[in-house]
Amino acid sequence: GENVEQHPSTLSVQEGDSAVIKCTYSDSASNYFPWYKQELGKRPQLIIDIRSNVGEKKDQRIAVTLNKTAKHFSLHITETQPEDSAVYFCAASSGSSNTGKLIFGQGTTLQVKP
Amino acid sequence: SAVISQKPSRDICQRGTSLTIQCQVDSQVTMMFWYRQQPGQSLTLIATANQGSEATYESGFVIDKFPISRPNLTFSTLTVSNMSPEDSSIYLCSVGTGGSPGGTQYFGPGTRLTVL
Repeated sequence: GENVEQHPSTLSVQEGDSAVIKCTYSDSASNYFPWYKQELGKRPQLIIDIRSNVGEKKDQRIAVTLNKTAKHFSLHITETQPEDSAVYFCAASSGSSNTGKLIFGQGTTLQVKP
Repeated sequence: SAVISQKPSRDICQRGTSLTIQCQVDSQVTMMFWYRQQPGQSLTLIATANQGSEATYESGFVIDKFPISRPNLTFSTLTVSNMSPEDSSIYLCSVGTGGSPGGTQYFGPGTRLTVL
């Protein structure tokens, strides 16, 4: 089945710097890749997603890139702010089974220092 | 996006008892899922709640331990049976939107379960 690896597990940046989180997946049939942000004690919130028919997607300070050949995708946050501090999870749809299931990476704790 | 609620928001239970968690959505959705998130960990899919048929369980999860109901397109329950301290986790339901597999998923607020 699908397996998703996420790196790094922790990331500390200065306010205003960029942050990059990377994920790799194993199932070449996976076709949907969302990113979730989870603040302490809160539910995971979808912040951006990308489908396999595009290579990049941007939403203000957040962007996601996808390399289908290498089977990896990345989250880029520019001009980081203290409120970006949270745990970020990548996920991949289990495309080969076509069930809509998401398999999650292990998570990255991002700390933005003011 | 759909508005999702869960009950209870938290509970403290004794070993050997069972707890049923409810998930309610404000609109009809095709797909509903149940996840477990252990402290400081990622989200692990327990099962897909299928409307009108038995749930589809992931490896390591069984129906006797985590029975699931899905009586209609807006409601599902997850029961954690014969609980042990290892079941202490946050349990989250999610709903799939977009009308097709691989559609966007949104999460409920979660149920924080502590087993003594």
